[in-house]
Amino acid sequence: DSGVTQTPKHLITATGQRVTLRCSPRSGDLSVYWYQQSLDQGLQFLIQYYNGEERAKGNILERFSAQQFPDLHSELNLSSLELGDSALYFCASSPSSKSGELFFGEGSRLTVL
Amino acid sequence: AQSVTQPDIHITVSEGASLELRCNYSYGATPYLFWYVQSPGQGLQLLLKYFSGDTLVQGIKGFEAEFKRSQSSFNLRKPSVHWSDAAEYFCAVGALDFGNEKLTFGTGTRLTIIP
Repeated sequence: DSGVTQTPKHLITATGQRVTLRCSPRSGDLSVYWYQQSLDQGLQFLIQYYNGEERAKGNILERFSAQQFPDLHSELNLSSLELGDSALYFCASSPSSKSGELFFGEGSRLTVL
Repeated sequence: AQSVTQPDIHITVSEGASLELRCNYSYGATPYLFWYVQSPGQGLQLLLKYFSGDTLVQGIKGFEAEFKRSQSSFNLRKPSVHWSDAAEYFCAVGALDFGNEKLTFGTGTRLTIIP
């Protein structure tokens, strides 16, 4: 158990819909990262938050957005869903120190039909 | 831009045999390198990391990796694999600016263990 909690574990929805994925980082970790894992794209970095502020942005679509709340949990919002958005979405957190270690949750598997 | 190449998509080895998974990276400065393992239905777990110093690093579960700057490689090794090592292995390179520990992952190598 990494200490990172993601909900829901599985989600099935239809094209055009909107979903929210939630992540609770490890206690004390200020950084939260979102990654998308798909068969054709591999593990892609989406976005990072540090203590409530956006710190780095990767290959995140404009239809996607995220935020980190004062209690440090984070949400990833996916809207106008397309079939190609079906993937495993991972949240990871890291300590404030330069450990270089990301602690990953078990992921949220999104299926868009 | 940083990038990671894992040339082997799938490797099959016999239980008890030795293992080497290849990783090549591209990075403009001194790289920070990592190996992560993903078991089925699980998130990624850190096996080992290289920041500086000794180029041979030891990790958990009996794994080790060697950093070779001249070859831009960071190959993962294990002298004798166990059936429980069957998983997907990811090499990653990153920058460790404070609060910006973004990692770039390779596409992964799936390891199958046969009896």
